[in-house]
Amino acid sequence: GEDVEQSLFLSVREGDSSVINCTYTDSSSTYLYWYKQEPGAGLQLLTYIFSNMDMKQDQRLTVLLNKKDKHLSLRIADTQTGDSAIYFCAEKSYSGAGSYQLTFGKGTKLSVIP
Amino acid sequence: GAGVSQSPSNKVTEKGKDVELRCDPISGHTALYWYRQSLGQGLEFLIYFQGNSAPDKSGLPSDRFSAERTGGSVSTLTIQRTQQEDSAVYLCASSLDRGKNEQYFGPGTRLTVT
Repeated sequence: GEDVEQSLFLSVREGDSSVINCTYTDSSSTYLYWYKQEPGAGLQLLTYIFSNMDMKQDQRLTVLLNKKDKHLSLRIADTQTGDSAIYFCAEKSYSGAGSYQLTFGKGTKLSVIP
Repeated sequence: GAGVSQSPSNKVTEKGKDVELRCDPISGHTALYWYRQSLGQGLEFLIYFQGNSAPDKSGLPSDRFSAERTGGSVSTLTIQRTQQEDSAVYLCASSLDRGKNEQYFGPGTRLTVT
């Protein structure tokens, strides 16, 4: 079945760049997503990338996709303390009978040191 | 506008009791998803509703779990004869339709089975 892997923890200093990495297994994935979860809150969609793209930039966020290696990364420039959260990588895959699923990684907890 | 809402926000129940968790999706969203987030785990897909189609129940972990969606809007996830391993945060998400990228998540219901 589909599997999404990401490192569990990342610690960076305020003002530095953060890079969160993710690998996935389903080569038929059409979209890949990054979600952010702050403590006690639901998931918030940060950005997504279509599988025929290599890069997508949105303000401080840069998503890079290496489809050959099935590797996705999220770069946060000028990381702020408010960026401290758990970041989930997810892939959209077809699960049959006209149904799509999002398969999530376990999340990377980003800690920003002031 | 109003986002996805879930109730209750917290639920503590004794082992063996039944619980009902409620999700109000964003108005007009035809697709609704239930996920389970256990401590230190990613999101586990449970069930998916799309309009009036038969739901995709492939993620339900046992026959103690069931869900319904009345009138294409509000959904209820029912767990019968709860077990301690059912303790988790149950997240609901909705999207405009199954092809759309963005799933909007509610804040979740934290279920604790004692």
